[in-house]
Amino acid sequence: DAGITQSPRYKITETGRQVTLMCHQTWSHSYMFWYRQDLGHGLRLIYYSAAADITDKGEVPDGYVVSRSKTENFPLTLESATRSQTSVYFCASNRRMEETQYFGPGTRLLVL
Amino acid sequence: SQQGEEDPQALSIQEGENATMNCSYKTSINNLQWYRQNSGRGLVHLILIRSNEREKHSGRLRVTLDTSKKSSSLLITASRAADTASYFCATDVQGAQKLVFGQGTRLTINP
Repeated sequence: DAGITQSPRYKITETGRQVTLMCHQTWSHSYMFWYRQDLGHGLRLIYYSAAADITDKGEVPDGYVVSRSKTENFPLTLESATRSQTSVYFCASNRRMEETQYFGPGTRLLVL
Repeated sequence: SQQGEEDPQALSIQEGENATMNCSYKTSINNLQWYRQNSGRGLVHLILIRSNEREKHSGRLRVTLDTSKKSSSLLITASRAADTASYFCATDVQGAQKLVFGQGTRLTINP
């Protein structure tokens, strides 16, 4: 039972490059979420998805794009990376919005 | 400011002592959840308390919720070195369709 996985775990990229962070869950959870975690800000919601082909903006969506063609995958794309997007990114999922969220191990992204 | 704010930001105690962390929030909620994060890892769910509940227990954890004061507390009894982590409260705000996390309390248990 793999649960929820993220790849890559670590990524270094340069300003202006496109980067895609992957998230995969094996529970068939309806909801999936992307957060970023920065010192002094805690976790902030970037985007979330209630089901395949349904996505919605969170607190800090600018500069990010998501898609959800399959229930189990929820990739996050930085179309043109900026230094301010250096962060730790967490993916999470659950069956219903109000329930416990299950988190992946995170992706540490450094934008030079 | 944040919907959920933890207090204190950092707490250092001796092994065996009890640790208490507090969370305050601003708007009406459906439930409040506590998560733990070990250094360099993802968040792990500890306990969920619904708005119509006042207290919940899980092992050495005790959570209280006071909706009139819009606050919650997490008590860890008989702390162990393995409890060293950051603890976050998250509120499921009514009508918001999302969890809002606080900035966390960094707990250090000294042997």
